[in-house]
Order: sequence, then structure tokens, then C-alpha cells
Amino acid sequence: GAGVSQSPSNKVTEKGKDVELRCDPISGHTALYWYRQSLGQGLEFLIYFQGNSAPDKSGLPSDRFSAERTGGSVSTLTIQRTQQEDSAVYLCASSLEEQISADQHFGDGTRLSIL
Amino acid sequence: AQSVTQLGSHVSVSEGALVLLRCNYSSSVPPYLFWYVQYPNQGLQLLLKYTSAATLVKGINGFEAEFKKSETSFHLTKPSAHMRDAAEYFCAVSDRGYSTLTFGKGTMLLVSP
Repeated sequence: GAGVSQSPSNKVTEKGKDVELRCDPISGHTALYWYRQSLGQGLEFLIYFQGNSAPDKSGLPSDRFSAERTGGSVSTLTIQRTQQEDSAVYLCASSLEEQISADQHFGDGTRLSIL
Repeated sequence: AQSVTQLGSHVSVSEGALVLLRCNYSSSVPPYLFWYVQYPNQGLQLLLKYTSAATLVKGINGFEAEFKKSETSFHLTKPSAHMRDAAEYFCAVSDRGYSTLTFGKGTMLLVSP
């Protein structure tokens, strides 16, 4: 079956521009997560959705970062006024439920490069 | 907050040799622990997880890990390495009451012929 789909797979943009990253979770998965993977910081949690609500957004690094989820499905992560330190791979994951032992299924990520 | 430490950013083995990737955690309560593998330009794939049932956990691709509370460890092993095992491996712990994961820095496994 279809896995977690992320688009675009690669994005190159100039410093100061806004970018939108999209995540399509596995159908029926109620929980959705965004992570950031960078050379210096490793894998970092950004935000967690349960349905359309975000009970935990504590990992968003600044107010330039925001995310939303609609229809309990697709999620977009928006970065405004991008900075070079935003360059990273942004990974999305989904799970069938929010239980602590639920398996998270990851997409292949969006590689974001800020020039 | 819980945390995970992976000892060794790179581990090199020969094909057919034992694989041992180390992971130690800190937690004030029994954690849920996970091992993920990441192949180049791909997302993470779950290898195995510990959820307080059996302390020896068997996963995919011949990997297993043992939860040792006394050592606060969850090391990943495989008896015989294959070339296709070359990848980056991440240990992770669940905290915050949800299934949000806190990851270690990762260990790159290099397998030579």
C-alpha cells in the first residue's frame, strides 16, 4: 500500500523566501509528526498532530515556522523568511494512533537548501 | 526529559562479522525504545521496538536488541553483517506522554567485503 508521501523531494530557495512543505500520511493514520534532520543537530522533533489539532508544537524553532493539518490528512509545514540555518531534511511520519508504542512510518523527506 | 546516547558515530565491520551498535538511555520511568534504520536519501524504517514486554526484542533483517534496565542500555546486534546492512542507525526513546520520539545522533554502519 501507499506509504507517507512528501513533496517536493528537493527544494532550493533564496534566503528570505517563504517555503511550504507537504506531507500526505498513510490513509487512516490519525497521528502525524514533523521532524528535522540536519548535520549539526541530528533528528529533532518539530510538531505533532492528532487529527487536525497540534497538542505538541514545542519543537518549532521559531515563530517563522508553522504547520497545519486539514481533514485529518494532509499537512503543510511553512517556513517564512527562510534563513540558511533552515537548510535540512524535513521528515514527516504518521502512525495509526497516538499511543506511545505506535509505529511511526516515515516519508523520504524534503531536502531544503537555502542559498 | 529523556535522552538517548549512541556510542560511536561510525562503526566498521567486515561482511559476516558481528554487528554491535550501542545505545544508552536516561529515564526516570521505564521508557519505550526503538531502533530505526535510514538508507541514503530515504526516510527511517522501524527495525524493532521495546514496549516493556520481552526484554529481548527481535526485529527485521536479522537484528535484535536487549533491554537491560541495570545498564540503561538497548544495544542493537546482528550475528553476521551483510553488505546491504550498510546504513545509518538511530536509537530513539518515547517521552512527553505521546509517541513523539527523541533520537540519538545516529551511528553509521560501514560493511567491508
